[in-house]
Amino acid sequence: DAKTTQPPSMDCAEGRAANLPCNHSTISGNEYVYWYRQIHSQGPQYIIHGLKNNETNEMASLIITEDRKSSTLILPHATLRDTAVYYCIEAGGTSYGKLTFGQGTILTVHP
Amino acid sequence: NAGVTQTPKFQVLKTGQSMTLQCAQDMNHEYMSWYRQDPGMGLRLIHYSVGAGITDQGEVPNGYNVSRSTTEDFPLRLLSAAPSQTSVYFCASSYSTQYGGDTQYFGPGTRLTVL
Repeated sequence: DAKTTQPPSMDCAEGRAANLPCNHSTISGNEYVYWYRQIHSQGPQYIIHGLKNNETNEMASLIITEDRKSSTLILPHATLRDTAVYYCIEAGGTSYGKLTFGQGTILTVHP
Repeated sequence: NAGVTQTPKFQVLKTGQSMTLQCAQDMNHEYMSWYRQDPGMGLRLIHYSVGAGITDQGEVPNGYNVSRSTTEDFPLRLLSAAPSQTSVYFCASSYSTQYGGDTQYFGPGTRLTVL
C-alpha cells in the first residue's frame, strides 16, 4: 500500500496557484518526497523531489514541513494543460527504480 | 535522445499466448522498471533492474519474466497470457541525481488486451 495520503480530487481556476497537499507521516530520515503527474493516459512525468528543504524548478515548487510529515506541491500559475493525476511518493535516496504509486490527486483546472 | 521507447503501442492476445513487450532507453540510465496500470488505479511495480544482468521482483511479478542483457534494453515477457493481465504497461528508466534522489523517465505505454 502507498505510504502517502492525498485528497482524491481538487479543482483550480486557470491562472491561479494550485496547491496540492500530501501527508507522509511515516517518512524516514533518508526518504525523499517525489511528485509525478500523469496526463490522461500518458506515462507519468517527473515534477520535483526533495528531502527536507523547499525546492523549486521550472515546473513547480515543493514545500516540506519542518517535521517532514507533510508537503505541498505548488503549481504557481495553473493552465488547462496541468489537468492530470498528481502522485506524491516517498522513497529512499536511491530508489533503484522502485516507486510505490498510490491513487494520487486528480487536479482539474477550469477556464 | 529518444528517451524511453516501448513497442508495441497496442496488442491483443488470446488466453495462453505468450509475447514480449519491448523497452529501450538511450540515456545510459542504470535502473529500469516495469509497471502495470489497471483502469482507475495507480501504477504497480512488476520487475526492476539495477544494472545489466541484475533483476528483481516488484509487487506483482507473477506471470512475467524479465532479463537485462544490456544497459539499453529491458524486455518484459508474458509467459501464458491471462485476462487478468489486461492492462497498460509502462517501462521506466532512472538515474541517481548528483544532489540525491532519483528521477524516473517513463515510456508512452503498451496497451494490452487479453481475450
